[in-house]
Amino acid sequence: DVKVTQSSRYLVKRTGEKVFLECVQDMDHENMFWYRQDPGLGLRLIYFSYDVKMKEKGDIPEGYSVSREKKERFSLILESASTNQTSMYLCASSPGPLYEQYFGPGTRLTVT
Amino acid sequence: GENVEQHPSTLSVQEGDSAVIKCTYSDSASNYFPWYKQELGKGPQLIIDIRSNVGEKKDQRIAVTLNKTAKHFSLHITETQPEDSAVYFCAATPPGGSQGNLIFGKGTKLSVKP
Repeated sequence: DVKVTQSSRYLVKRTGEKVFLECVQDMDHENMFWYRQDPGLGLRLIYFSYDVKMKEKGDIPEGYSVSREKKERFSLILESASTNQTSMYLCASSPGPLYEQYFGPGTRLTVT
Repeated sequence: GENVEQHPSTLSVQEGDSAVIKCTYSDSASNYFPWYKQELGKGPQLIIDIRSNVGEKKDQRIAVTLNKTAKHFSLHITETQPEDSAVYFCAATPPGGSQGNLIFGKGTKLSVKP
C-alpha cells in the first residue's frame, strides 16, 4: 500500500516562528503536493513538485515556501507563521499527471 | 482560471436512498475528473475518476457521469449506507494542462441516516 506520512498530526506555534511541515512517501512517486483545507473552502493547492528540486506555485503560495531535495520528501515552510495560517495541511503524492493522488492524514497547525 | 463549483454543500439522505453530487467546471479543455472521499480524521481518498473520452463510469454502487457540452460531472451513489457518510470532493484539471495539479470543489458533506 502507498503510504504518505506527515511529521505531526497536531502542531502549535507562535506568531513569527519558522515552521517546517514534513511529508514522506514510500512509493517512488514523481509528484508531491501541499494543500491547505479550511471549512467551506475545500482543498487549496499551495505548492507542488513534479521532480526533485522542481517546484511550482499553486493557488495560494503567499507566505509559504517548499523544498524537495530527495524524491520521497517534500517540505512545506512557513517563514514567519501568522494566525491566518492556522489550518489543516494535507500532503499528497502521485505517480504522475492524471493519476490518483494519495493523501497523508494531515497536520492541524495552530498559530497563536 | 479554472473554477470548479460543487453542489450541494450538505446532503442528508435516508439509508438505502440514492445521493447525487454535481460539479461544474469552466475550462472546456479539462480532461480528468476525479472524486475523493474524506472520512473524519483522515486524508481524502480517490473513489472514482473519469476522463474526457468517456461519458460514464461505474464501480459497484458508485457512478460518475460527464457531460462535456454542459461542462458538468456528477457523482451518483446508490443504496447508500451509513459508512458512505463523509465529505466528498470533485476535482478537475486546470486550464493550460496539468503537471499533476488539480482544482478541487469546496466539498459536499453527505450524511446517511440509518
